[in-house]
Amino acid sequence: KNQVEQSPQSLIILEGKNCTLQCNYTVSPFSNLRWYKQDTGRGPVSLTIMTFSENTKSNGRYTATLDADTKQSSLHITASQLSDSASYICVVSPTNAGGTSYGKLTFGQGTILTVHP
Amino acid sequence: KAGVTQTPRYLIKTRGQQVTLSCSPISGHRSVSWYQQTPGQGLQFLFEYFSETQRNKGNFPGRFSGRQFSNSRSEMNVSTLELGDSALYLCASSLTDYGYTFGSGTRLTVV
Repeated sequence: KNQVEQSPQSLIILEGKNCTLQCNYTVSPFSNLRWYKQDTGRGPVSLTIMTFSENTKSNGRYTATLDADTKQSSLHITASQLSDSASYICVVSPTNAGGTSYGKLTFGQGTILTVHP
Repeated sequence: KAGVTQTPRYLIKTRGQQVTLSCSPISGHRSVSWYQQTPGQGLQFLFEYFSETQRNKGNFPGRFSGRQFSNSRSEMNVSTLELGDSALYLCASSLTDYGYTFGSGTRLTVV
């Protein structure tokens, strides 16, 4: 079972509307949780990074929240644009005895967002 | 500053051949990680290098190997290619565990 589950798998919205993507994780302990945006055939681009002690982080029209008690995170996109059409990936960085993941990130399967005019 | 550079962008190989992919990290970043992305499995961790040493490894067969040079550039090699190795291969460089910057990837197609 994947330790990072995202929902929905896909989402279609109209331009200008808001949407919220969900991420449930069981990775523990972890040092930080990231949301990435990935355009088709390109590498993921970081949107937000939150440590386990942070509750919210914003980056323009993107706002991420983190609830460490329920092990849930969400990414809220405001006033969507056509260019927001992409896959959004939730990534958790687990910690080991050395205090770092040494690159062994745990990825969700992603939510494919399509914004229609 | 320049981002993470991966070459080549696209590659077509035949089953049984071997392939080498290259990754140049952001200047000053000494950690380079490699990932495989497929539609079925999503993103999976291959290995991580820091100062020319492999610090961590994922669950991939020995056909997948890598190395890092003194200038932090890294290469990944896949020997005896199989059809299932077709994927987008991504590398990421980082200064600390707090931030990973990905390259645009190399799209490998095995025929």
